[in-house]
Amino acid sequence: GAVVSQHPSRVICKSGTSVKIECRSLDFQATTMFWYRQFPKQSLMLMATSNEGSKATYEQGVEKDKFLINHASLTLSTLTVTSAHPEDSSFYICSAGQTYISYNEQFFGPGTRLTVL
Amino acid sequence: KNEVEQSPQNLTAQEGEFITINCSYSVGISALHWLQQHPGGGIVSLFMLSSGKKKHGRLIATINIQEKHSSLHITASHPRDSAVYICAVEGGATNKLIFGTGTLLAVQP
Repeated sequence: GAVVSQHPSRVICKSGTSVKIECRSLDFQATTMFWYRQFPKQSLMLMATSNEGSKATYEQGVEKDKFLINHASLTLSTLTVTSAHPEDSSFYICSAGQTYISYNEQFFGPGTRLTVL
Repeated sequence: KNEVEQSPQNLTAQEGEFITINCSYSVGISALHWLQQHPGGGIVSLFMLSSGKKKHGRLIATINIQEKHSSLHITASHPRDSAVYICAVEGGATNKLIFGTGTLLAVQP
């Protein structure tokens, strides 16, 4: 299957700093990229959907000024957590999607664990 | 009530046992995904299906669209199968996923 990478895999930062997470589709062009967060022992929660060259669509309750998403190309999307606080500590996962004639498929990245001190 | 329900939430099995994880959903879907998440957190897509049955190695996934139900089977389970298995459905015009809460599987040697 297709490969999606995330960088960094782990990041620890001080409260108030901004953190950028990259999501890349390595061997295909993704029409859509999705960003999820996951709290311990909970399921994934969709944060936003981004299409290349257009603004991201955020889910209800997700602050777009807090979680900046840029989808500059068909192989790269970035999530920037601005002015991070301890409550932003979570596991962030991206997925890259391809749309075919009759179905859609998503490939998940390995995730980024963010710890804000 | 969640739109996607999985059962059981936790499952402990002995190596070699046949395992079944169930997923029921209440919305119209275009596809259903089975995902595997290991303790490190990374997610692997196991299956995407919209009808019938798929098999990959020791894993089998089935779906009954009329009953809005899917099952994931693991034959000859092994400790390396220990992980969280997540059912997710994709519905409507977008390809957003709605996730179940996952089934934590522990296979003991």
